[in-house]
Amino acid sequence: GENVEQHPSTLSVQEGDSAVIKCTYSDSASNYFPWYKQELGKGPQLIIDIRSNVGEKKDQRIAVTLNKTAKHFSLHITETQPEDSAVYFCAASFDSSASKIIFGSGTRLSIRP
Amino acid sequence: ETGVTQTPRHLVMGMTNKKSLKCEQHLGHNAMYWYKQSAKKPLELMFVYSLEERVENNSVPSRFSPECPNSSHLFLHLHTLQPEDSALYLCASSQDFRDDFNEQFFGPGTRLTVL
Repeated sequence: GENVEQHPSTLSVQEGDSAVIKCTYSDSASNYFPWYKQELGKGPQLIIDIRSNVGEKKDQRIAVTLNKTAKHFSLHITETQPEDSAVYFCAASFDSSASKIIFGSGTRLSIRP
Repeated sequence: ETGVTQTPRHLVMGMTNKKSLKCEQHLGHNAMYWYKQSAKKPLELMFVYSLEERVENNSVPSRFSPECPNSSHLFLHLHTLQPEDSALYLCASSQDFRDDFNEQFFGPGTRLTVL
């Protein structure tokens, strides 16, 4: 079946450095790729998303890149800050339906002071 | 606050108990979702409701029974659960489940422990 693989499962970076999280998906028909951030004790919250007709999207310190040929997409966080510490989930939407969204297994990002 | 509330936040129950999880969204959305989040596993979509009608049931055991009395409220009724059902249960809502690009807004979840 369809799946989304996410790496790494844990990531620790020095404050101020960059963090990169990578995901691959299996269904070439996927056309929507959101990233969610989950802080302790809270539900996931959308931080950025990208559609299949775009190769890159930026929003301040975060950016997402998409390579449809290779079927992978990445989240880039620059100038990391303590509040970036959280679990990050990538996802891919199949069959053109939000009810078919498949999530990755998550990356726990820790920012070292 | 995301506009989606869940109660209770924590629940401990025995395998023979019956309990219910409640979700309420204050966003005027038409679609609501139940997810199961287990440690080190991807979020698992359990049920999808659109305008109070169930549109997805992803092979969830019958010991989980959803109910959507109106577009703002969603319940998950639990009975004769197993210890492996212990997890964080997340509720989410979105404007329309058929739209590819609609953002899902999640509640804080109910941490369920089955003894």
